[in-house]
Amino acid sequence: NAGVTQTPKFQVLKTGQSMTLQCAQDMNHEYMSWYRQDPGMGLRLIHYSVGAGITDQGEVPNGYNVSRSTTEDFPLRLLSAAPSQTSVYFCASSYSTGLSTDTQYFGPGTRLTVL
Amino acid sequence: AQSVTQLDSHVSVSEGTPVLLRCNYSSSYSPSLFWYVQHPNKGLQLLLKYTSAATLVKGINGFEAEFKKSETSFHLTKPSAHMSDAAEYFCVVSAEYGNKLVFGAGTILRVKS
Repeated sequence: NAGVTQTPKFQVLKTGQSMTLQCAQDMNHEYMSWYRQDPGMGLRLIHYSVGAGITDQGEVPNGYNVSRSTTEDFPLRLLSAAPSQTSVYFCASSYSTGLSTDTQYFGPGTRLTVL
Repeated sequence: AQSVTQLDSHVSVSEGTPVLLRCNYSSSYSPSLFWYVQHPNKGLQLLLKYTSAATLVKGINGFEAEFKKSETSFHLTKPSAHMSDAAEYFCVVSAEYGNKLVFGAGTILRVKS
C-alpha cells in the first residue's frame, strides 16, 4: 500500500490564483481530513469527510473548498489564494468514522507559499 | 471543548539522558490521547495512543506515556535519548465522537552529542 499520498510537494502561487491540492489513500478508509500546520500553532483542521459525498467544516475552513466523489480521493481547493494561506498542508485518513480511538495516517505534506 | 497544552516549546537533552515532554489536556469526557512525531520536512508518525485501557502506554522507539486523570496530564518519556530522536513532538486529543483531532502547539526536541 502507498498509504496517504499528496501532490504536489511544493507550490508557489500569486495572490488571487486558485489551485487544488490532491490527496489520495489506498487503504479503503472512510474518514479523510485536511490540516494546515503553522509555526507554534500545531495542526488545525480545515475540512473533513466521513465518506464519499459527505464533507464538513473544521476549525479553519474559510478560503477552502472540498469535495469527496470517491472513497480514495479528497482534494482541497484554494479559491483565491491569499498570503495568509502560506502553510504546510497535511491530509490524513482513518478507517472508521465514529471511533475517537482510531489511528489517523498522515500524508507527507504540501508546502504552499502565496506571494 | 477539548484543548491541549504542551508546556515546553523547546527541550534540549544530551544523548543518553532521559527525555520528558510535558502535555496537559482539558476535556469534559474521557478522551483518547496521542503523541505524534514529525522529523524535519517529513509527515507525522504515530508514537503511541491512550484509549482508556492501561494508563501506561508503550510506543515505538522506546517512548512511553502515562495518562494521569487527576492531573489531566499525558507526559511523554524515554529513558535514554538518541540523536535520531531530534524532532518535533505533538500531543493530540480526540473529539468525544468522530475522528477530529486537536493538536498541541508542539515541542521541538534537540539532542546534543
